[in-house]
Amino acid sequence: DVKVTQSSRYLVKRTGEKVFLECVQDMDHENMFWYRQDPGLGLRLIYFSYDVKMKEKGDIPEGYSVSREKKERFSLILESASTNQTSMYLCASSPGEAASEQYFGPGTRLTVT
Amino acid sequence: AQSVTQLDSQVPVFEEAPVELRCNYSSSVSVYLFWYVQYPNQGLQLLLKYLSGSTLVKGINGFEAEFNKSQTSFHLRKPSVHISDTAEYFCAVSRFGNEKLTFGTGTRLTIIP
Repeated sequence: DVKVTQSSRYLVKRTGEKVFLECVQDMDHENMFWYRQDPGLGLRLIYFSYDVKMKEKGDIPEGYSVSREKKERFSLILESASTNQTSMYLCASSPGEAASEQYFGPGTRLTVT
Repeated sequence: AQSVTQLDSQVPVFEEAPVELRCNYSSSVSVYLFWYVQYPNQGLQLLLKYLSGSTLVKGINGFEAEFNKSQTSFHLRKPSVHISDTAEYFCAVSRFGNEKLTFGTGTRLTIIP
Protein backbone atom coordinates (compact mmCIF):
# COMPACT_ATOMS: atom_id res chain seq x y z
CA ASP A 1 0.00 0.00 0.00
CA VAL A 2 1.42 3.34 -1.07
CA LYS A 3 2.09 5.85 1.62
CA VAL A 4 2.91 9.53 1.92
CA THR A 5 3.31 10.76 5.47
CA GLN A 6 3.59 14.30 6.80
CA SER A 7 5.28 15.06 10.09
CA SER A 8 2.38 16.88 11.75
CA ARG A 9 -1.39 17.12 11.23
CA TYR A 10 -1.64 20.41 13.11
CA LEU A 11 1.00 23.03 13.81
CA VAL A 12 0.83 26.42 15.49
CA LYS A 13 3.72 28.84 15.07
CA ARG A 14 4.41 32.49 15.81
CA THR A 15 5.08 35.20 13.25
CA GLY A 16 8.77 35.31 12.33
CA GLU A 17 9.54 31.72 13.33
CA LYS A 18 11.33 29.35 10.96
CA VAL A 19 9.02 26.45 10.16
CA PHE A 20 9.87 23.03 8.73
CA LEU A 21 7.23 20.77 7.21
CA GLU A 22 8.43 17.26 6.46
CA CYS A 23 7.11 14.76 3.94
CA VAL A 24 8.20 11.16 3.44
CA GLN A 25 7.13 8.69 0.73
CA ASP A 26 7.83 4.96 0.66
CA MET A 27 7.18 4.32 -3.04
CA ASP A 28 10.59 5.20 -4.50
CA HIS A 29 8.93 7.97 -6.53
CA GLU A 30 11.01 10.42 -8.55
CA ASN A 31 8.69 13.41 -8.15
CA MET A 32 7.55 15.17 -5.02
CA PHE A 33 5.32 18.22 -4.67
CA TRP A 34 4.26 20.76 -2.06
CA TYR A 35 0.85 22.44 -2.40
CA ARG A 36 -1.12 24.81 -0.25
CA GLN A 37 -4.88 24.49 -0.10
CA ASP A 38 -7.11 27.46 0.73
CA PRO A 39 -10.91 27.68 0.61
CA GLY A 40 -12.10 28.96 -2.74
CA LEU A 41 -8.62 28.77 -4.24
CA GLY A 42 -8.14 25.02 -4.57
CA LEU A 43 -4.62 23.62 -4.55
CA ARG A 44 -1.72 25.77 -5.66
CA LEU A 45 1.75 24.37 -6.35
CA ILE A 46 4.51 25.86 -4.21
CA TYR A 47 7.50 23.74 -5.30
CA PHE A 48 8.18 20.59 -7.26
CA SER A 49 11.20 18.25 -7.08
CA TYR A 50 11.96 15.78 -9.88
CA ASP A 51 15.10 14.25 -8.35
CA VAL A 52 17.33 14.46 -5.30
CA LYS A 53 18.66 18.01 -4.90
CA MET A 54 16.61 19.14 -7.95
CA LYS A 55 13.73 21.56 -7.56
CA GLU A 56 11.52 23.81 -9.60
CA LYS A 57 9.36 26.74 -8.51
CA GLY A 58 5.65 26.33 -8.72
CA ASP A 59 3.00 29.02 -8.94
CA ILE A 60 3.46 30.57 -5.48
CA PRO A 61 7.07 30.04 -4.26
CA GLU A 62 7.48 33.41 -2.53
CA GLY A 63 8.24 33.05 1.16
CA TYR A 64 9.04 29.33 0.87
CA SER A 65 12.06 27.17 0.16
CA VAL A 66 12.49 23.40 -0.13
CA SER A 67 15.09 20.73 0.47
CA ARG A 68 15.42 17.25 -0.95
CA GLU A 69 18.58 15.55 0.29
CA LYS A 70 17.19 12.01 0.03
CA LYS A 71 14.82 10.57 -2.53
CA GLU A 72 12.11 9.71 -0.01
CA ARG A 73 12.06 13.01 1.89
CA PHE A 74 10.94 16.49 0.77
CA SER A 75 10.93 19.39 3.21
CA LEU A 76 9.11 22.70 2.95
CA ILE A 77 10.69 25.60 4.82
CA LEU A 78 9.07 28.86 5.81
CA GLU A 79 12.08 31.07 6.56
CA SER A 80 10.08 33.63 8.52
CA ALA A 81 6.46 32.63 8.99
CA SER A 82 3.77 35.22 8.40
CA THR A 83 0.04 35.17 9.12
CA ASN A 84 -0.79 34.95 5.42
CA GLN A 85 0.93 31.56 5.36
CA THR A 86 -1.77 30.11 7.60
CA SER A 87 -3.11 27.31 5.43
CA MET A 88 -3.40 23.59 4.79
CA TYR A 89 -0.20 22.19 3.26
CA LEU A 90 -0.34 19.01 1.19
CA CYS A 91 2.58 16.92 0.03
CA ALA A 92 2.35 14.51 -2.91
CA SER A 93 4.60 12.15 -4.83
CA SER A 94 4.45 10.48 -8.24
CA PRO A 95 6.59 8.28 -10.50
CA GLY A 96 8.69 10.17 -13.03
CA GLU A 97 6.23 9.83 -15.89
CA ALA A 98 3.84 12.34 -17.37
CA ALA A 99 0.17 11.83 -16.48
CA SER A 100 0.98 9.49 -13.59
CA GLU A 101 -1.14 9.58 -10.47
CA GLN A 102 -0.06 11.83 -7.64
CA TYR A 103 -0.32 10.27 -4.17
CA PHE A 104 -1.14 12.71 -1.40
CA GLY A 105 -0.37 12.85 2.28
CA PRO A 106 -3.08 13.76 4.82
CA GLY A 107 -1.97 17.39 5.06
CA THR A 108 -0.61 19.71 7.75
CA ARG A 109 -2.85 22.52 8.96
CA LEU A 110 -0.50 25.35 9.86
CA THR A 111 -1.67 28.33 11.89
CA VAL A 112 0.65 31.33 12.20
CA THR A 113 -0.29 33.73 15.00
CA ALA B 1 -0.40 28.18 -19.54
CA GLN B 2 -3.42 26.06 -18.78
CA SER B 3 -6.28 26.78 -16.38
CA VAL B 4 -9.26 24.94 -14.94
CA THR B 5 -12.69 26.33 -14.01
CA GLN B 6 -15.10 24.63 -11.66
CA LEU B 7 -18.10 26.94 -11.65
CA ASP B 8 -20.00 25.23 -8.85
CA SER B 9 -18.37 25.65 -5.46
CA GLN B 10 -21.10 23.64 -3.72
CA VAL B 11 -23.56 21.05 -5.02
CA PRO B 12 -26.27 19.58 -2.75
CA VAL B 13 -27.88 16.37 -4.03
CA PHE B 14 -30.43 13.99 -2.56
CA GLU B 15 -29.24 10.47 -1.83
CA GLU B 16 -29.71 8.09 -4.80
CA ALA B 17 -30.15 11.01 -7.22
CA PRO B 18 -27.76 11.55 -10.14
CA VAL B 19 -25.07 14.23 -10.03
CA GLU B 20 -22.90 16.11 -12.50
CA LEU B 21 -19.92 18.19 -11.42
CA ARG B 22 -18.74 20.58 -14.10
CA CYS B 23 -15.19 21.26 -15.21
CA ASN B 24 -13.95 23.42 -18.06
CA TYR B 25 -10.33 23.92 -19.02
CA SER B 26 -8.34 26.18 -21.27
CA SER B 27 -5.02 25.39 -22.86
CA SER B 28 -3.18 26.23 -26.04
CA VAL B 29 -1.70 22.72 -26.17
CA SER B 30 -2.97 19.18 -25.71
CA VAL B 31 -3.63 18.17 -22.13
CA TYR B 32 -4.31 15.30 -19.79
CA LEU B 33 -7.35 15.65 -17.50
CA PHE B 34 -7.96 14.33 -14.00
CA TRP B 35 -10.56 14.23 -11.25
CA TYR B 36 -9.39 13.88 -7.64
CA VAL B 37 -11.54 13.48 -4.53
CA GLN B 38 -10.81 14.66 -0.99
CA TYR B 39 -12.82 13.02 1.79
CA PRO B 40 -13.09 14.93 5.09
CA ASN B 41 -9.75 15.22 6.90
CA GLN B 42 -7.85 13.31 4.24
CA GLY B 43 -5.51 13.98 1.35
CA LEU B 44 -6.60 13.76 -2.27
CA GLN B 45 -6.97 10.52 -4.21
CA LEU B 46 -7.38 9.92 -7.92
CA LEU B 47 -10.90 9.17 -9.17
CA LEU B 48 -10.14 8.92 -12.89
CA LYS B 49 -8.06 10.39 -15.68
CA TYR B 50 -8.26 10.99 -19.42
CA LEU B 51 -5.13 10.57 -21.49
CA SER B 52 -6.36 9.69 -24.98
CA GLY B 53 -8.73 7.36 -26.82
CA SER B 54 -12.34 6.86 -25.72
CA THR B 55 -13.82 10.11 -24.47
CA LEU B 56 -15.83 8.35 -21.76
CA VAL B 57 -13.64 7.42 -18.81
CA LYS B 58 -14.74 5.24 -15.92
CA GLY B 59 -13.25 5.63 -12.48
CA ILE B 60 -13.58 4.28 -8.97
CA ASN B 61 -16.75 4.29 -6.86
CA GLY B 62 -19.08 4.36 -9.89
CA PHE B 63 -17.94 7.74 -11.21
CA GLU B 64 -17.35 8.49 -14.89
CA ALA B 65 -16.35 11.55 -16.89
CA GLU B 66 -16.65 12.59 -20.49
CA PHE B 67 -14.01 14.54 -22.39
CA ASN B 68 -15.47 17.02 -24.85
CA LYS B 69 -12.75 18.70 -26.88
CA SER B 70 -15.03 21.14 -28.71
CA GLN B 71 -16.48 22.42 -25.44
CA THR B 72 -13.19 22.04 -23.55
CA SER B 73 -15.04 20.26 -20.77
CA PHE B 74 -14.49 17.21 -18.59
CA HIS B 75 -17.64 16.85 -16.48
CA LEU B 76 -17.88 14.22 -13.76
CA ARG B 77 -21.05 12.15 -13.34
CA LYS B 78 -22.54 9.50 -11.12
CA PRO B 79 -26.00 8.00 -11.74
CA SER B 80 -26.86 7.46 -8.08
CA VAL B 81 -25.00 9.05 -5.16
CA HIS B 82 -24.55 7.75 -1.62
CA ILE B 83 -23.85 9.43 1.68
CA SER B 84 -20.27 8.19 1.40
CA ASP B 85 -19.76 10.38 -1.69
CA THR B 86 -19.77 13.48 0.51
CA ALA B 87 -16.42 15.07 -0.29
CA GLU B 88 -14.68 17.82 -2.22
CA TYR B 89 -13.94 17.10 -5.86
CA PHE B 90 -11.11 18.69 -7.82
CA CYS B 91 -10.62 18.79 -11.55
CA ALA B 92 -7.01 19.09 -12.74
CA VAL B 93 -5.07 19.42 -15.98
CA SER B 94 -1.50 18.84 -17.09
CA ARG B 95 0.20 19.49 -20.39
CA PHE B 96 1.41 16.59 -22.50
CA GLY B 97 4.81 15.50 -21.25
CA ASN B 98 4.56 17.49 -18.03
CA GLU B 99 4.13 16.02 -14.55
CA LYS B 100 2.79 19.19 -12.92
CA LEU B 101 -0.94 19.59 -12.32
CA THR B 102 -3.07 22.72 -12.35
CA PHE B 103 -6.10 22.30 -10.10
CA GLY B 104 -9.52 23.90 -10.16
CA THR B 105 -10.97 25.54 -7.06
CA GLY B 106 -13.00 22.46 -6.11
CA THR B 107 -16.67 21.51 -5.77
CA ARG B 108 -18.05 20.45 -2.42
CA LEU B 109 -20.62 17.68 -2.89
CA THR B 110 -23.14 17.36 -0.07
CA ILE B 111 -25.52 14.40 -0.03
CA ILE B 112 -28.91 15.01 1.54
CA PRO B 113 -30.46 11.91 3.17
